[in-house]
Amino acid sequence: GQQLNQSPQSMFIQEGEDVSMNCTSSSIFNTWLWYKQDPGEGPVLLIALYKAGELTSNGRLTAQFGITRKDSFLNISASIPSDVGIYFCAGRRAEKLVFGKGTKLTVNP
Amino acid sequence: EADIYQTPRYLVIGTGKKITLECSQTMGHDKMYWYQQDPGMELHLIHYSYGVNSTEKGDLSSESTVSRIRTEHFPLTLESARPSHTSQYLCASSPSDRAGNTIYFGEGSWLTVV
Repeated sequence: GQQLNQSPQSMFIQEGEDVSMNCTSSSIFNTWLWYKQDPGEGPVLLIALYKAGELTSNGRLTAQFGITRKDSFLNISASIPSDVGIYFCAGRRAEKLVFGKGTKLTVNP
Repeated sequence: EADIYQTPRYLVIGTGKKITLECSQTMGHDKMYWYQQDPGMELHLIHYSYGVNSTEKGDLSSESTVSRIRTEHFPLTLESARPSHTSQYLCASSPSDRAGNTIYFGEGSWLTVV
């Protein structure tokens, strides 16, 4: 089946640092979504990307839909303690949404 | 902002009990989904629905069943719970237009079977 490779699996950073994470696949997707999940909660949508090459920002978050349609990255600038959580990428093709395994972010104050 | 609600949020039940997890959305979305997620792991699709009276099984085999009698309601039922069903169950929905490529999640139902 379709698989997404999300990296890194975990990150430990200092407050104020920038963060970058990415997802790659051998399959083409027509939508990329990035979610953040806090412990015990459902994923919350951060950014949605609908077209190859699209670069979209949401506050300190920036995400891009790769030109090949097989990858996407998410950047977080000037991290703060509340950025802690697990970040999931998801690629959509037809009606199916495939999730990466998540990047666990820890921010040290 | 998505308006999708799940109840109960947390539940501990005994083996063999029947349980229904409720999911409702007030956005008029045609498509609804159930995902299963173990702690710290990725989400796996177990059921989805394109509209009233439509239900399909997802990628991960599940002993649960679903129904879609009303657009806004997509309950999931386990007829006889087992410890292997212990997990977080996440309900989601999406519209049928281009924004339908975006899926919104509820807060999840944590089920523990003892």
